Amino acid sequence: SQKIEQNSEALNIQEGKTATLTCNYTNYSPAYLQWYRQDPGRGPVFLLLIRENEKEKRKERLKVTFDTTLKQSLFHITASQPADSATYLCALDTNDYKLSFGAGTTVTVRA
Amino acid sequence: SAVISQKPSRDICQRGTSLTIQCQVDSQVTMMFWYRQQPGQSLTLIATANQGSEATYESGFVIDKFPISRPNLTFSTLTVSNMSPEDSSIYLCSVGRSGASDTQYFGPGTRLTVL
Repeated sequence: SQKIEQNSEALNIQEGKTATLTCNYTNYSPAYLQWYRQDPGRGPVFLLLIRENEKEKRKERLKVTFDTTLKQSLFHITASQPADSATYLCALDTNDYKLSFGAGTTVTVRA
Repeated sequence: SAVISQKPSRDICQRGTSLTIQCQVDSQVTMMFWYRQQPGQSLTLIATANQGSEATYESGFVIDKFPISRPNLTFSTLTVSNMSPEDSSIYLCSVGRSGASDTQYFGPGTRLTVL
């Protein structure tokens, strides 16, 4: 069956360090992979989309990689700040219009 | 972008009753989705609601339990019928313009507790 797995442990890092989150998937062949941020009591907010033919994408302090051979995406937050503390979700397309989400990784950045 | 509001933001309901959740978007959108998010778990798609057609339900979700209306391109409702404590969850609506190749915008969610 199809499965999406994100870091099972919460991530606690020091301000200024780089946070690296993983998203592994099995039995999918996604054309797109998206990352969202979710704060407590709020809906997810879109961050980045990467296509299967793209290896890497950047947006400000965020970087996403997509390795279709390893079936893995890495999400990096560089020069992390306490305001980056949130849960980060990866999502894959299961067909032309539907997304399947991972359970998320909670990141806490200590000042 | 799209701004989405949901009503109610939270509710506590008795077993056996029904609750209708409203989702309002500030612009016309073709695709609208309803998700459920249980504590500590991922978002699970309940159904896709496109204007002018019947909602399409995912495996494990049925119309009798989760009837959906989509009367126009800016509004939808999800009803949680004959509720049980297992229905306690956060319900989120989202919209997309062109499917999985584009951003989905989410509402703030409705936190439902069933006693």
